Amino acid sequence: KAGVTQTPRYLIKTRGQQVTLSCSPISGHRSVSWYQQTPGQGLQFLFEYFSETQRNKGNFPGRFSGRQFSNSRSEMNVSTLELGDSALYLCASSQQGSSYEQYFGPGTRLTVT
Amino acid sequence: KNQVEQSPQSLIILEGKNCTLQCNYTVSPFSNLRWYKQDTGRGPVSLTIMTFSENTKSNGRYTATLDADTKQSSLHITASQLSDSASYICVVKPTGANNLFFGTGTRLTVIP
Repeated sequence: KAGVTQTPRYLIKTRGQQVTLSCSPISGHRSVSWYQQTPGQGLQFLFEYFSETQRNKGNFPGRFSGRQFSNSRSEMNVSTLELGDSALYLCASSQQGSSYEQYFGPGTRLTVT
Repeated sequence: KNQVEQSPQSLIILEGKNCTLQCNYTVSPFSNLRWYKQDTGRGPVSLTIMTFSENTKSNGRYTATLDADTKQSSLHITASQLSDSASYICVVKPTGANNLFFGTGTRLTVIP
């Protein structure tokens, strides 16, 4: 089976812009979770989608949003980018949810200038 | 205060040596504890998952132990290799909740 894929791998944006990141889970996995990783904070949970429904949400401002499509692919959107949004954004897929084993993608490295 | 604390923050060891990484947590009750390995610039890869009732789990040269009474877990790496250079992240899943608690990781460097 192909692993979790994320596109794009690298992205440079300027403050105030918006960005959309994409994640394709492992075939058959219905859960996709998104994480932000920065050197100082480590991995922080953004949200989880399961069968097109947001099941859980972390403590991030409303500028961060996501959705999941019927084929389980997920997108994450960040509006009005700030310098502090520069990070590695990881998605992880799981058959039944984050309670079970998760498989991470390679991440999207977002740099905001 | 982070509910999952890892130590040391960073570690340098010689190739072929053993090492042990620590994870202390306050999450309670919990359903499972996981260790991940993350190479620079890549996503984390699962090494072990232990339920609250398990004491030890191995994956090749990696052995994780769990003491639910003291709320401590350790990851022991035997006969280290250069490819073990990575960050190791401890993650705790609380019972009855969908969120996960992440440690900030231990950065391991194996030198020849």
